[in-house]
Amino acid sequence: EVQLVESGGGLVKPGRSLRLSCTASGFTFGDYAMGWFRQAPGKGLEWVGFIRSKAKGGTAEYAASVKGRFTISRDDSKRVAYLQMNSLKTEDTAVYYCTRRVVTPGYWGQGTLVTVSS
Amino acid sequence: DVVMTQSPLSLPVTLGQPASISCRSSQSLVDSDGNTYLNWFQQRPGQSPRRLIYKVSNRDSGVPDRFSGSGSGTDFTLKISRVEAEDVGVYYCMQGTHWPLTFGPGTKVDIK
Repeated sequence: EVQLVESGGGLVKPGRSLRLSCTASGFTFGDYAMGWFRQAPGKGLEWVGFIRSKAKGGTAEYAASVKGRFTISRDDSKRVAYLQMNSLKTEDTAVYYCTRRVVTPGYWGQGTLVTVSS
Repeated sequence: DVVMTQSPLSLPVTLGQPASISCRSSQSLVDSDGNTYLNWFQQRPGQSPRRLIYKVSNRDSGVPDRFSGSGSGTDFTLKISRVEAEDVGVYYCMQGTHWPLTFGPGTKVDIK
């Protein structure tokens, strides 16, 4: 059974950093691109970024709203994808979800809440 | 960016009756590989999104066959043949053809 578990969320002040993790099980992690999406409280879904599999170059792409501040990485040996979030803004407050695949994300984690507030 | 619009934004339905949600994109979603990357997601209250349909009309495993997707180019539709109580939630379309990936604003389905 495919499982994705996000962790690392919490309350953080504007301008600070936070790193989210997405731990995967139930599939060959290294074979898949991993995506990150978010949902602000009471709002819709927004794509944040994704990282390709190593076979496809292992590079990452980002939404304009987070480019230059967020970095996605992966450790295939640990089956974990990371979302490093720097220079956080109040508008980054959201539930962050990781997904297996990104163009057709079929599996989603339960999400982790990030609250950016002074 | 490709703008995704949905209508209606709110859909009160009677149990056992059909329901239909429209999704339109500002550009064609036909990819250079010939596929059309249009997904539909259901998000029940307090839950993560769940993919129902991928590439316009392919129903995910475990999704009841009362859900169906159709359309082409820029116009797409999600239909529920007979609404059940468990179908309450917000439905989103999402395009995966053009970067950045974008979602529709969501259609809230509830029971009359």
